[in-house]
Amino acid sequence: KAGVTQTPRYLIKTRGQQVTLSCSPISGHRSVSWYQQTPGQGLQFLFEYFSETQRNKGNFPGRFSGRQFSNSRSEMNVSTLELGDSALYLCASSLGDGGYNEQFFGPGTRLTVL
Amino acid sequence: AQTVTQSQPEMSVQEAETVTLSCTYDTSESDYYLFWYKQPPSRQMILVIRQEAYKQQNATENRFSVNFQKAAKSFSLKISDSQLGDAAMYFCAYRSAGAGNMLTFGGGTRLMVKP
Repeated sequence: KAGVTQTPRYLIKTRGQQVTLSCSPISGHRSVSWYQQTPGQGLQFLFEYFSETQRNKGNFPGRFSGRQFSNSRSEMNVSTLELGDSALYLCASSLGDGGYNEQFFGPGTRLTVL
Repeated sequence: AQTVTQSQPEMSVQEAETVTLSCTYDTSESDYYLFWYKQPPSRQMILVIRQEAYKQQNATENRFSVNFQKAAKSFSLKISDSQLGDAAMYFCAYRSAGAGNMLTFGGGTRLMVKP
């Protein structure tokens, strides 16, 4: 079974631009979560989607948005990029809804904002 | 809001020895789940071990075991017979019951294994 895939793996953007990151969960998984990982702030939760509905949202500005499609693939978008948005963005998928369910992480997309 | 604290930014262990990584958390909830994740250099994060708060028995997965102290809000990870492949960042994480799959992570502990 293929794991969680994220595209692109690396991105370089300039301030003010917008970016879209994609995540394909493991086949059959209906939950997709997004996390931002930086050296200073560590791993922070962005949002979670389950069956196309946003279930939870972290404490990030409205520039960060996401969506999930009917095939469970998810995208996140960051508009008006800032230098501080440079990070590794991780996607995780899960078969079920919370509880003891294991989350499987993708390799991440490393975003650099110049 | 829940918080997770890992007080050891870095740890070092000799190959074949045992090491314990610390994790404390703060919550007012009684039902939750705790996890340890491993992130090797430039590789994907993987689940090491998990614990349900209402189970008193400590979880064990091969060389990995936890010491879960609910009253003290402590969740340490013990790695026995350390191997070179255990070198990685280790993250402790908390998940509320009934709140989807959202994880709250600690700051991480970098484990180095000396041959």
